[in-house]
Amino acid sequence: AQSVTQPDIHITVSEGASLELRCNYSYGATPYLFWYVQSPGQGLQLLLKYFSGDTLVQGIKGFEAEFKRSQSSFNLRKPSVHWSDAAEYFCAVDNTNAGKSTFGDGTTLTVKP
Amino acid sequence: DADVTQTPRNRITKTGKRIMLECSQTKGHDRMYWYRQDPGLGLRLIYYSFDVKDINKGEISDGYSVSRQAQAKFSLSLESAIPNQTALYFCATSDLGGSRNEQFFGPGTRLTVL
Repeated sequence: AQSVTQPDIHITVSEGASLELRCNYSYGATPYLFWYVQSPGQGLQLLLKYFSGDTLVQGIKGFEAEFKRSQSSFNLRKPSVHWSDAAEYFCAVDNTNAGKSTFGDGTTLTVKP
Repeated sequence: DADVTQTPRNRITKTGKRIMLECSQTKGHDRMYWYRQDPGLGLRLIYYSFDVKDINKGEISDGYSVSRQAQAKFSLSLESAIPNQTALYFCATSDLGGSRNEQFFGPGTRLTVL
């Protein structure tokens, strides 16, 4: 069965600092991988996704993520965090063509002024 | 207008009551999902439907039922609500085709069972 681990429950960074949120997955073949963001009181919105090809994917709001098969990881990064990035971030994995995503428990990002 | 809508947005009910949460979508997607979100537990899948005649249990379906009334509508029912069903509930849709299983979420329904 597929599973997703987000090791960091809560991360605090200063505005303007770089950010990396970790995600590890468990699945045999190459999965479909996603990062979603949930702002307070909102539903989830897709930041970026990986299916195949270039292992570094660009998303919205200046985010990027890198797929590393050898480490079973799909970490999310941003070079310079803005106060508006404060939110909860979810990594998700989808068994190819199964149409069901398994979500990690989420990482809450706090941005200090 | 939002592509995925949920009604109600907030609901307070009492133990033992039957309650229905509704989801509608204008995206034309065949696939629809119901999740619940609890603090620290991420999203857990309750039920999902790949088309009008297809209903599948997710990982936490006990105490819930669903109805897919049309391609655009997917309702979640709590037959006899209990306090540990207090949570934030999300409906989502996806399309196997171009968007490759990306899910589009509604704004959520906050349910409190007293």
